[in-house]
Amino acid sequence: ELKVEQNPLFLSMQEGKNYTIYCNYSTTSDRLYWYRQDPGKSLESLFVLLSNGAVKQEGRLMASLDTKARLSTLHITAAVHDLSATYFCAGDLQGAQKLVFGQGTRLTINP
Amino acid sequence: DTEVTQTPKHLVMGMTNKKSLKCEQHMGHRAMYWYKQKAKKPPELMFVYSYEKLSINESVPSRFSPECPNSSLLNLHLHALQPEDSALYLCASSQRGGEETQYFGPGTRLLVL
Repeated sequence: ELKVEQNPLFLSMQEGKNYTIYCNYSTTSDRLYWYRQDPGKSLESLFVLLSNGAVKQEGRLMASLDTKARLSTLHITAAVHDLSATYFCAGDLQGAQKLVFGQGTRLTINP
Repeated sequence: DTEVTQTPKHLVMGMTNKKSLKCEQHMGHRAMYWYKQKAKKPPELMFVYSYEKLSINESVPSRFSPECPNSSLLNLHLHALQPEDSALYLCASSQRGGEETQYFGPGTRLLVL
């Protein structure tokens, strides 16, 4: 059974700072996904990481995958208030048919 | 266009009511999903349809009944729900149900009284 754990679960940071969200998973996952969810809204796809060593960047967010360590990271560079949201990582079994989500990291960025 | 639409946005129903949630996508995706999300929790998979056939049922109670009339539509029929079923119900779709990103709709917020 795939289990996905994120830390921290809550993160409050100041604008302009850098920080990293960690996502550990318990068994082999075909790929790793990162989603963003704003309060009361749906999930927005951020990144799909397909292989060991994969790194993807979009704006101030960069995601990486280490399949040997079963670890993915989401790095935030020079945070801005608009990045405040809950971030979920998810692994999959049986292809992308069964996503297993981490608990989510609630990120608050203060001016 | 990566849009998945869901109706209604909000739904309040009594425990004896029958209602349906609807989901639609026009991206040519052949896999569609229902998730349930409680407040401050991650989404939990309920059902997966792949090529209009039910491929995964995560031991969901029979008071939830999915239906996939065609490749663009997904319904979730609700009957005799309990207050603990109150949640955000999210629909998602992906290209083939294999290796692709799932795109989520805006959700239906359900309150069972």
